[in-house]
Amino acid sequence: GAVVSQHPSRVICKSGTSVKIECRSLDFQATTMFWYRQFPKQSLMLMATSNEGSKATYEQGVEKDKFLINHASLTLSTLTVTSAHPEDSSFYICSARVASGGHRGTEAFFGQGTRLTVV
Amino acid sequence: DAKTTQPPSMDCAEGRAANLPCNHSTISGNEYVYWYRQIHSQGPQYIIHGLKNNETNEMASLIITEDRKSSTLILPHATLRDTAVYYCIVRLSSNTGKLIFGQGTTLQVKP
Repeated sequence: GAVVSQHPSRVICKSGTSVKIECRSLDFQATTMFWYRQFPKQSLMLMATSNEGSKATYEQGVEKDKFLINHASLTLSTLTVTSAHPEDSSFYICSARVASGGHRGTEAFFGQGTRLTVV
Repeated sequence: DAKTTQPPSMDCAEGRAANLPCNHSTISGNEYVYWYRQIHSQGPQYIIHGLKNNETNEMASLIITEDRKSSTLILPHATLRDTAVYYCIVRLSSNTGKLIFGQGTTLQVKP
């Protein structure tokens, strides 16, 4: 199956600083990537849809100025958590959709997630 | 996308079949049933999907009722590594790949 890589897998940052998380599709091109957030013992919550070369579409309640998303190429999307606070500590997961030729049922491939801890 | 209902948790003995149910009574005719699982602290993994016919792959089988209002994911010989949260998701095939996750079923496989 297609591979999606997230980096870093784990990050600890100080309150007030910004953190960038990368999501790369390693062996396919992804016109669309998705960013999710998951708090302990909860399900994944979709934050935004990232389209290559255009602005991201944010879900209701997600602050676009706090969670900056850039999708500059067909293989890379980044999520920057700006002015991070302890309540932003969470597990952030990206997924990527195959641009073409993908199997219908396996369109979305997930990264391994990034554990963010803000202290 | 149609809403799904799953039991919050289930146990299964190692080596036995695990049968995970999912209710999707408001599913429409062109919506597919997808199953993903999430092992602790990892990203979700695709398992299987189907429209109306039963499906089988190397990981699992998917049984969809004739009225399509419910389905069952079957892991034929559960192992300890199958312990995970299993998500049943219903969506249109034309959807961009956006997945809306419910609470899922936590499957605990016990020795």
